Amino acid sequence: DAGITQSPRHKVTETGTPVTLRCHQTENHRYMYWYRQDPGHGLRLIHYSYGVKDTDKGEVSDGYSVSRSKTEDFLLTLESATSSQTSVYFCATRYRIPGAWSSGANVLTFGAGSRLTVL
Amino acid sequence: KQEVTQIPAALSVPEGENLVLNCSFTDSAIYNLQWFRQDPGKGLTSLLLIQSSQREQTSGRLNASLDKSSGRSTLYIAASQPGDSATYLCAVPLLQGGSEKLVFGKGTKLTVNP
Repeated sequence: DAGITQSPRHKVTETGTPVTLRCHQTENHRYMYWYRQDPGHGLRLIHYSYGVKDTDKGEVSDGYSVSRSKTEDFLLTLESATSSQTSVYFCATRYRIPGAWSSGANVLTFGAGSRLTVL
Repeated sequence: KQEVTQIPAALSVPEGENLVLNCSFTDSAIYNLQWFRQDPGKGLTSLLLIQSSQREQTSGRLNASLDKSSGRSTLYIAASQPGDSATYLCAVPLLQGGSEKLVFGKGTKLTVNP
C-alpha cells in the first residue's frame, strides 16, 4: 500500500449523521485522491488534492467535502450521510517514478479501502 | 470525454492457459496507461505502467502493450495460476483544469480454475 493508511476500515452509520474518513500517507506525495467504488459503476473520483489546502472536485463530489491541512492527511467528510453513499472508498496518492521527468511516469497507488454502510 | 472499456467483464480459464485481457479508450491523447489488480475486499495494486513512449512493459509472467493509435491496450498473462484470480483494471490519465485524474475501466474479473 506504499505507506497509505485509511481509517476507519469499516463503518456503519445512520442516515443523516456526519462521517469523516481519513487517509494518511507517509511518502510525502503531493497529489492525493478519493475514489468510491460501486458495482456497475467502477471507480469514480470524488475529490482530489494537489497540495496542502489545494483541493478540487471530481465527477461525483455532491454531498462530500474534503480537507488537507497537512501533506500527509486527506480527509473526506460526508456532512449528512445518505444511503446512496454506501460504498467502498479508496484513497490514492500519485508519485513520479524516481529519475523520470515526464508526466508519463506518474503512478497511482491505493490504500486498502474503507467500507461505509449507511442505514 | 475519456471513456475506458474492458472486455470481457468476466473470464474463466483452466490453470496453465495463456490469456489476454483487453482495454480500450476513446481519447488517444494519453501519456500513459496503468494496469491494476484488485483482490476481493482489497485495494488496488499497481501491476504495470506503460508510458506513451513505450509499446510494452513486462513484469514476470505479465506483459502489457499499448497502441495509442488504435486506442487499445492488452494485458497478457502467461501460464495462468489460481493465484492470478482477481479483477484487473486499466486506467488512463485525463487532464482537466491543469490537474491529472485517472479514468478507470470497470475491470475484467478473472478466475483461474485448478
